[in-house]
Amino acid sequence: DVKVTQSSRYLVKRTGEKVFLECVQDMDHENMFWYRQDPGLGLRLIYFSYDVKMKEKGDIPEGYSVSREKKERFSQILESASTNQTSMYLCASKAQNEKLFFGSGTQLSVL
Amino acid sequence: DQQVKQNSPSLSVQEGRISILNCDYTNSMFDYFLWYKKYPAEGPTFLISISSIKDKNEDGRFTVFLNKSAKHLSLHIVPSQPGDSAVYFCAACQGGSEKLVFGKGMKLTVNP
Repeated sequence: DVKVTQSSRYLVKRTGEKVFLECVQDMDHENMFWYRQDPGLGLRLIYFSYDVKMKEKGDIPEGYSVSREKKERFSQILESASTNQTSMYLCASKAQNEKLFFGSGTQLSVL
Repeated sequence: DQQVKQNSPSLSVQEGRISILNCDYTNSMFDYFLWYKKYPAEGPTFLISISSIKDKNEDGRFTVFLNKSAKHLSLHIVPSQPGDSAVYFCAACQGGSEKLVFGKGMKLTVNP
């Protein structure tokens, strides 16, 4: 089975703090994604990466940055967390033309 | 502009009855459609998919129907079980793109 592992299930941060969200997949997938899920808004794509060192903006990239130094790892950084970034963050990966596999999510609360 | 729409935010059905979840899309370039199920505090899991060359795909209690002319798909669950209670997301993508576009989700509650 594909495993997508997110480093934290729950995080509580203060406004202005830097936040690191880590994601690792074990199936050698080329494509990795970061989504956020908010009630009534569904899943919105923040950034995705189709190869090492490659990244593309999704629908809501503002306030986020990402890094893909190794194929298995896709990191997301919130340079200065704000309260409107309180959300469930979901990492996902997929092979070419295959279905998307999600991690368990990180519930981030910014106070 | 929302390309994938799930217009009903919630649905409640009795155990054993049929659940019908609807999804509409606006982008005629979409050619692959998926349904994901999500429980609270967990990541979404893949349920069933359908290619645009088909109009129906079945997997056990789950059937997805695609009406290309109406740009509409539906997920049928029969018989519904309490364990089916979750949020269901419809998603779509077009050939050559690895990006999925998701709907806002619909919360299904199956009452015992």
